[in-house]
Amino acid sequence: EAQVTQNPRYLITVTGKKLTVTCSQNMNHEYMSWYRQDPGLGLRQIYYSMNVEVTDKGDVPEGYKVSRKEKRNFPLILESPSPNQTSLYFCASLATSSYNEQFFGPGTRLTVL
Amino acid sequence: GIQVEQSPPDLILQEGANSTLRCNFSDSVNNLQWFHQNPWGQLINLFYIPSGTKQNGRLSATTVATERYSLLYISSSQTTDSGVYFCAVWGYGQNFVFGPGTRLSVLP
Repeated sequence: EAQVTQNPRYLITVTGKKLTVTCSQNMNHEYMSWYRQDPGLGLRQIYYSMNVEVTDKGDVPEGYKVSRKEKRNFPLILESPSPNQTSLYFCASLATSSYNEQFFGPGTRLTVL
Repeated sequence: GIQVEQSPPDLILQEGANSTLRCNFSDSVNNLQWFHQNPWGQLINLFYIPSGTKQNGRLSATTVATERYSLLYISSSQTTDSGVYFCAVWGYGQNFVFGPGTRLSVLP
């Protein structure tokens, strides 16, 4: 089954404790992206990657890091999480050969205390 | 960058009613999708529709790219249709931009 997976699905942590949210896709898509969703602000792009070793900032990259060492994986790293990073996070992927449907993961609910 | 607007922001319907949701975008796009976010937060792909008309059961969508808008039609609404409907577009940059959403509540 074609899918995007994220782990963990739920996470409660404390300020300053480094964490990684993993994202993996099995569709051999070149493009992968991270979004955050906040009440009243909608979904905003954090980082995206056009292919392995190619990443770029989205609209709200501050406080986040990403890496793309393998085509299927695109982890999101919060090196020193703060309460304003409490949010619902989505990973997504898309085939750039066709630029059609973007597939989203199930979401990760992060709470930073 | 490209701007995406959706209307109405909120919609309350009785079960069985029909509705039309609108998405306007400010520039040419090469990708437009409609999503449904269910009460559990999951984003469900409804349509990939950069132009033309598609139908899937009780849902259909039309995009008029030259006039920069898209419409999502929901017929014979059910309580399970409740949630937030997003339109999202990919312009000719690298960003996929979401509209603010339409929150739909279908009452039994």
